[in-house]
Amino acid sequence: DIVMTQSPDSLAVSLGERATINCKSSQSVLYTSNNKNYIGWYQQKPGQPPKLLIYWASTRESGVPDRFSGSGSGTDFTLTISSLQAEDVAVYYCQQYYSNPPAFGQGTRLEIK
Amino acid sequence: QVHLVQSGAEVKNPGASVKVSCKASGYTFTSYAMHWVRQAPGQRLEWVGWINPGNGNTKYSQKFQDRVTITRDTSANTAYLELSSLRSEDTAVYYCARDLGPMVTQAPPDAFNIWGQGTTVTVSS
Repeated sequence: DIVMTQSPDSLAVSLGERATINCKSSQSVLYTSNNKNYIGWYQQKPGQPPKLLIYWASTRESGVPDRFSGSGSGTDFTLTISSLQAEDVAVYYCQQYYSNPPAFGQGTRLEIK
Repeated sequence: QVHLVQSGAEVKNPGASVKVSCKASGYTFTSYAMHWVRQAPGQRLEWVGWINPGNGNTKYSQKFQDRVTITRDTSANTAYLELSSLRSEDTAVYYCARDLGPMVTQAPPDAFNIWGQGTTVTVSS
């Protein structure tokens, strides 16, 4: 099974500053035949289900603000929030859907400094 | 609008079974895989299994293989999760979640872009 590990576990960033969350998979999630990385990023606020932000490692879901971006390939991935807003306070999860079982990272809690 | 609406909270004794429902609307139910994901207090999201609503085929996490059954009723556009032999460690919020793309273009799993509101299952004597 593929194991997903995020860093850091928690992060405090000032409003308007950049936030960066890292995610590492225990094996490559790049499918070479289509050159796609099978990685999603989710935002979860208290009492709510997760919300998909990014899929294919870098494609923004419809309606997601463009301050959210994803990058990386193979085993190392990054979610970047370019200018932190108050409403971005949440826990963020990466997920691999390259193979069964799909698996999530342990989460990164993002707070305002 | 695409929606997944789950059944209400459950409280069960250890050793009992629970069945949670997830009613879909706003899309062709049989075209998209449906997954079940759980989240125990303070823990990461954990995939339980998925069903192809078109033909009823399922795939389960090895962790739950002998205790879980996922079914569907296509006439009601509803998927079900049944978990048996409950223990305290099964206390969690259970979510249904739909694949981003239809199964004809992306074999499951896919990213999960539609989620139910969650059903809290509490196992306690």
